[in-house]
Amino acid sequence: QVQLVESEGGVVQPGRSLRLSCAASGFTFNSYGMHWVRQAPGKGLEWVAFIWFDGSKKYYGDSARGRFTISRDNSKNTLYLQMDSLRAEDTAVYYCARDLGSYGGSWFFFDYWGQGTLVTVSS
Amino acid sequence: EIVLTQSPATLSLSPGERATLSCRASQSVSNYLAWYQQKPGQAPRLLIYSTSHRANGIPGRFSGSGSGTDFTLTISSLEPEDFAVYYCQQRSNWPPELSFGGGTKVEIK
Repeated sequence: QVQLVESEGGVVQPGRSLRLSCAASGFTFNSYGMHWVRQAPGKGLEWVAFIWFDGSKKYYGDSARGRFTISRDNSKNTLYLQMDSLRAEDTAVYYCARDLGSYGGSWFFFDYWGQGTLVTVSS
Repeated sequence: EIVLTQSPATLSLSPGERATLSCRASQSVSNYLAWYQQKPGQAPRLLIYSTSHRANGIPGRFSGSGSGTDFTLTISSLEPEDFAVYYCQQRSNWPPELSFGGGTKVEIK
């Protein structure tokens, strides 16, 4: 079965960096585009970033553009999110999610989600 | 930026009743709209994509409709496990800009 498991988040000081990872299993990882989506405590969902199945294209939401970098290692079936210059407003549960489509036929809908990992930005 | 507005914010209904949730886009999203269900402490679950296609394993009581700027998620007869928060989500054409609505909470009356 499809499984997506995010690394532990944690508490990080404002202005510092953190890298999240997401280990994928149960499907052909290198065939699917992947996303990061976040949810601030008690709030709604916000799309963060997307990476093409082969890593050739990347797209970001407004809040992530210029500070966050999405990447993947298909040899390790792992997705990453490098978060730099973190701010208090980046505090959220971060989910990795699989795109509904495969092989470049991305739908930009999310059919499988990890359990999420909480990142708290605080001094 | 396309803004999705969901209404009502809260829907109070009893099991067995019909639920009708609305999602309105600030500009046309064609049929690029999905619906998700989220229960407390859980990740969201895809229910409907491309306006009206049920995702794998989703019961037939869930249906989606609409086009352009106005979309509806209907739950024909609420089961106890359907009480949750529902989000709509759109993707703009290109480059992709994805956004979610603010959510509708379906609670037990």
